[in-house]
Amino acid sequence: DAKTTQPNSMESNEEEPVHLPCNHSTISGTDYIHWYRQLPSQGPEYVIHGLTSNVNNRMASLAIAEDRKSSTLILHRATLRDAAVYYCILRGSGGSNYKLTFGKGTLLTVNP
Amino acid sequence: DTEVTQTPKHLVMGMTNKKSLKCEQHMGHRAMYWYKQKAKKPPELMFVYSYEKLSINESVPSRFSPECPNSSLLNLHLHALQPEDSALYLCASSPQRGSSYNEQFFGPGTRLTVL
Repeated sequence: DAKTTQPNSMESNEEEPVHLPCNHSTISGTDYIHWYRQLPSQGPEYVIHGLTSNVNNRMASLAIAEDRKSSTLILHRATLRDAAVYYCILRGSGGSNYKLTFGKGTLLTVNP
Repeated sequence: DTEVTQTPKHLVMGMTNKKSLKCEQHMGHRAMYWYKQKAKKPPELMFVYSYEKLSINESVPSRFSPECPNSSLLNLHLHALQPEDSALYLCASSPQRGSSYNEQFFGPGTRLTVL
């Protein structure tokens, strides 16, 4: 599986935008970029995914670099409820695409 | 109903006990998963069921025995566990198994302590 690299932790203030980076320099052409988050004492929760184009949904936006070697999850206005571990995951079209291979993720702290 | 439920929330068991974890979804999903998450670590896949059949076993010790009685239910039977098996056990489901864009829906997990 192609690997992702994320900062161990980031901090933001409430109601400000947050940009969570992810590097995936060995991504293949058919790998989808997925983001999940895990709030304290809960199971992981799907946030967003994309292949090549930028994506928006009600939770966040995903900006994908033109060469696809990096991506950024954007929370437009952070709330205290967004404090969580954010995982950037690549899912390919090969035999192992059934599973989510979680890396260490980024622990996001949101200050009031 | 877009929820995956897991029972019990917490479980404490001795090394000679037999217990079971239960997972349920009513989203019509045909793939269900068990993940294990140790403290401060990311989740790791244990088993995958596709159309009620075990399709993936990620080299999990036989003291963990999964079962899928029907398309909505997934059990994990535990026997002769070790203290190092203490972890959060997460169940997930997705519309189907082999898709790189299908999201997985996770339950809240069962926190297991083995004494």
